[in-house]
Amino acid sequence: NAGVTQTPKFQVLKTGQSMTLQCAQDMNHNSMYWYRQDPGMGLRLIYYSASEGTTDKGEVPNGYNVSRLNKREFSLRLESAAPSQTSVYFCASSGLGQYGYTFGSGTRLTVV
Amino acid sequence: AQSVTQLGSHVSVSEGALVLLRCNYSSSVPPYLFWYVQYPNQGLQLLLKYTSAATLVKGINGFEAEFKKSETSFHLTKPSAHMSDAAEYFCAVTSDTGRRALTFGSGTRLQVQP
Repeated sequence: NAGVTQTPKFQVLKTGQSMTLQCAQDMNHNSMYWYRQDPGMGLRLIYYSASEGTTDKGEVPNGYNVSRLNKREFSLRLESAAPSQTSVYFCASSGLGQYGYTFGSGTRLTVV
Repeated sequence: AQSVTQLGSHVSVSEGALVLLRCNYSSSVPPYLFWYVQYPNQGLQLLLKYTSAATLVKGINGFEAEFKKSETSFHLTKPSAHMSDAAEYFCAVTSDTGRRALTFGSGTRLQVQP
């Protein structure tokens, strides 16, 4: 009954460091999404994957890359972290024909 | 293009009072609309959704919302607030075309006073 699992839950990076945020879902969903949440700005789409093997940019893709490793897993990579990337990151998934998402519990990232 | 505007970043009500959280949307195609709730340090949980069936939608925890096309609104209501309703609420929109990714409003933090 896991749903969407994100790791890690918390991370502190130094400017210029790289890291990968992991996301996995066990609901056999086709579509997966990465959002960032900043105070007063709601959630903004970074990247999404409509199906295994495809990825596409969202509203705020600069500074990020993604990999849809298989149907279950969708990772988000920061190649050279910047303080502006301090945020809470949410992964979500949705099934074929469904509207609305199942969200993970988030990764709180601080870049110093 | 689609967008969502949530009026009021903070709303405070007394326990037992009516809760009204406002959401207006903009969409060039028929929209699908959602309300999510986020409790502190947690992910987002779906409260309810409108997908072109009944315009009055009932969700979990006693919440409901009415889709009004003429007003491009999808306001969230609850007749009687509980302390446990204190959270942040997000309205979101998508359409049946393209990427179907949700576009979120900026959120409304609901405070419930004893």
